[in-house]
Amino acid sequence: RKEVEQDPGPFNVPEGATVAFNCTYSNSASQSFFWYRQDCRKEPKLLMSVYSSGNEDGRFTAQLNRASQYISLLIRDSKLSDSATYLCVVLTDSWGKLQFGAGTQVVVTP
Amino acid sequence: DAEITQSPRHKITETGRQVTLACHQTWNHNNMFWYRQDLGHGLRLIHYSYGVQDTNKGEVSDGYSVSRSNTEDLPLTLESAASSQTSVYFCATSPNRERMDTYEQYFGPGTRLTVT
Repeated sequence: RKEVEQDPGPFNVPEGATVAFNCTYSNSASQSFFWYRQDCRKEPKLLMSVYSSGNEDGRFTAQLNRASQYISLLIRDSKLSDSATYLCVVLTDSWGKLQFGAGTQVVVTP
Repeated sequence: DAEITQSPRHKITETGRQVTLACHQTWNHNNMFWYRQDLGHGLRLIHYSYGVQDTNKGEVSDGYSVSRSNTEDLPLTLESAASSQTSVYFCATSPNRERMDTYEQYFGPGTRLTVT
């Protein structure tokens, strides 16, 4: 079983709609979680950290469910520019080593 | 502005050749990481370093080596290139633990390597 698993998609979303997707992780001791965004053939960039209480950054909301070991990302009022691959990331040691999921592709259509 | 550079950006090499990919950062970060990215696998960690003279193997380290002689550079060497090493390679850095208020990793633009 992979340490971090994601639905690869693609999630095809009409502009203005809401899309949500999850990621599951296998290590119950994991403490820190993140969502990264990767545009086609480009380097990944941090989108947001995921806090225990859940957090929101504009149109993006991240939630953590420790009991079921999953993290979710919700995008409201989708924009064409939101089209990208979203990588679920788990911190695996206290020095900063990260484990990346394979990514969920989101395609926002006009 | 601080940055991470990778060179070359594209390289084609032959099976069996030694290849070195460069990663240079001006963030003054202690932590540096090398990943490869292939379809269906996402980013997989090859090697990483938490400071000068420190190197560690990641999950897919076979056939690769690194050395860290200064803070700025972590070159990745493919000792004898194989077709299975055709991939996109990303270098990343993050601040050290004592100064860390974030675990964010900053990525370079990547090197696309083709082994024929």
